Amino acid sequence: AQTVTQSQPEMSVQEAETVTLSCTYDTSESDYYLFWYKQPPSRQMILVIRQEAYKQQNATENRFSVNFQKAAKSFSLKISDSQLGDAAMYFCAFIQGAQKLVFGQGTRLTINP
Amino acid sequence: NAGVTQTPKFQVLKTGQSMTLQCAQDMNHNSMYWYRQDPGMGLRLIYYSASEGTTDKGEVPNGYNVSRLNKREFSLRLESAAPSQTSVYFCASSEATGGPYEQYFGPGTRLTVT
Repeated sequence: AQTVTQSQPEMSVQEAETVTLSCTYDTSESDYYLFWYKQPPSRQMILVIRQEAYKQQNATENRFSVNFQKAAKSFSLKISDSQLGDAAMYFCAFIQGAQKLVFGQGTRLTINP
Repeated sequence: NAGVTQTPKFQVLKTGQSMTLQCAQDMNHNSMYWYRQDPGMGLRLIYYSASEGTTDKGEVPNGYNVSRLNKREFSLRLESAAPSQTSVYFCASSEATGGPYEQYFGPGTRLTVT
């Protein structure tokens, strides 16, 4: 069974600084997708970024980028120029095929002004 | 487009009462999902429907039933609510063909069982 582990329950960063959230996963499959979701206090789950396992190039979305290390089964999220609106719970998630998303436990990110 | 909508947003039940959570999506997605989120945890899958007319159990199905009413709607029923079912419930949908299989979530329902 696939598992996703986020080893940092909480992280904090100064506004305008860069922060990296860690995620590792376990799977025997070679074709899958990875996601980072953001959950602000409103509880809405918002897709931040996705990565296809067959792509070697790391995904980027504006200030958000990932470091995807397939052999190490690692998928970290880097947030550059942190903003107050980035404060939220961040969840790493894995999916193989059109099956269920498997979520990590989440990392609570605090932005200090 | 409204995306994924859920009703109600909040609900308080007494132990043993029943209720149905409603979910609808207007993105013409094939697959729909019900998750629960407990404090300090990620989302866990309760049931999913890969396509209209099919449903399958997820990680934590006990105490729940689902109905895929049509392509748009997927409901979750608690027949006899228990305090352990106090949680936030999310519905999601995805295209589920050809990738990338990203799921779009509703705003959630906060359910308290006393």
